[in-house]
Amino acid sequence: GQNIDQPTEMTATEGAIVQINCTYQTSGFNGLFWYQQHAGEAPTFLSYNVLDGLEEKGRFSSFLSRSKGYSYLLLKELQMKDSASYLCAVPFQKLVFGTGTRLLVSP
Amino acid sequence: EAQVTQNPRYLITVTGKKLTVTCSQNMNHEYMSWYRQDPGLGLRQIYYSMNVEVTDKGDVPEGYKVSRKEKRNFPLILESPSPNQTSLYFCASQPSRDRATEAFFGQGTRLTVV
Repeated sequence: GQNIDQPTEMTATEGAIVQINCTYQTSGFNGLFWYQQHAGEAPTFLSYNVLDGLEEKGRFSSFLSRSKGYSYLLLKELQMKDSASYLCAVPFQKLVFGTGTRLLVSP
Repeated sequence: EAQVTQNPRYLITVTGKKLTVTCSQNMNHEYMSWYRQDPGLGLRQIYYSMNVEVTDKGDVPEGYKVSRKEKRNFPLILESPSPNQTSLYFCASQPSRDRATEAFFGQGTRLTVV
């Protein structure tokens, strides 16, 4: 089976850097996704990691360590619009989602 | 524009009154699925379809039906809705049966059953 853990909520200040962690246990690894979801809206794709290491995409970076079953999403230069939930997901027989981390960015 | 379209966006209905939520994608994707999202529980898969006429149960299929007569459409049917089906529903599609592909989500349907 699959098990994914993320913190429930985090807060940060505009302009700061925040790291959202995700740990997973899976019987077969096939990559890890990060999605962003604003309240009441659809999740939108942020990143996909299948190899160990850091992948950078503008203000957002995603890191993966397969040996540790661990990933994080790094958000730099936080903006108010980054207030959202961040979901990590692992594809197995289906996409299995964590419950999400709600990020609140304050001025 | 590549998209997944769900209708309706909002629906309030009464217990026992059959309803259908439509989902259509214009990307020629093989794999489609339905999720429900509830506070504290995250996204849970209801049903999925790997191709036309091929559907299977996800994690929480009780009380739901689906069909896949055409590649682009994947409606979700609640034959006799109950209040515990009040939730936010998302349809999603992926390019292939390989689940390690990006999922594209519809706008969501907020369903309230009274």
